[in-house]
Amino acid sequence: NAGVTQTPKFRILKIGQSMTLQCTQDMNHNYMYWYRQDPGMGLKLIYYSVGAGITDKGEVPNGYNVSRSTTEDFPLRLELAAPSQTSVYFCASSPPGQGASYGYTFGSGTRLTVV
Amino acid sequence: AQRVTQPEKLLSVFKGAPVELKCNYSYSGSPELFWYVQYSRQRLQLLLRHISRESIKGFTADLNKGETSFHLKKPFAQEEDSAMYYCALSGTSYGKLTFGQGTILTVHP
Repeated sequence: NAGVTQTPKFRILKIGQSMTLQCTQDMNHNYMYWYRQDPGMGLKLIYYSVGAGITDKGEVPNGYNVSRSTTEDFPLRLELAAPSQTSVYFCASSPPGQGASYGYTFGSGTRLTVV
Repeated sequence: AQRVTQPEKLLSVFKGAPVELKCNYSYSGSPELFWYVQYSRQRLQLLLRHISRESIKGFTADLNKGETSFHLKKPFAQEEDSAMYYCALSGTSYGKLTFGQGTILTVHP
């Protein structure tokens, strides 16, 4: 099993550009999450999804959008990139019905720089 | 609101010395607490959960509800323990985790 796959691993964007961070999991996990990791700030939840067609905002959703058309895919869209969105982005999933109790499976991360 | 605080951004110890990574939380209900670890060039991964009361790689963590703490301990640190450690809390629905700021542990030879 591949687990959670994120692409791309690195990206440099110019201010005002848009991009989509891809996240795919092959474990049939219902719950999926997007976090951003900033130095000294820990991980902050951007958006999450409890199943196909169901998404909701996390702690820091401004400037981002998500969709969940299938169980496997949970892309994160950045519109009008800003320097404040420079960060490392992690996608994660967790087993159906278990929430966080048995641990998340994380992707390898996407390091995004906005210049 | 729920919050997780890791007061030490950096922690350095020598090989064989005891190590304790501190974690304090704020939550009004019954929390589930976790420690996650990120080794160099590896993915973030679950280290241990308070509900299982397990010891993983020699690490243990006890939930102290009176002091609202979940400190991670190891009696004899090894160089391979060098990593970023995150304490995390799940208190709300849908498995959402609140992470602390992280502690970078460096174990010197």
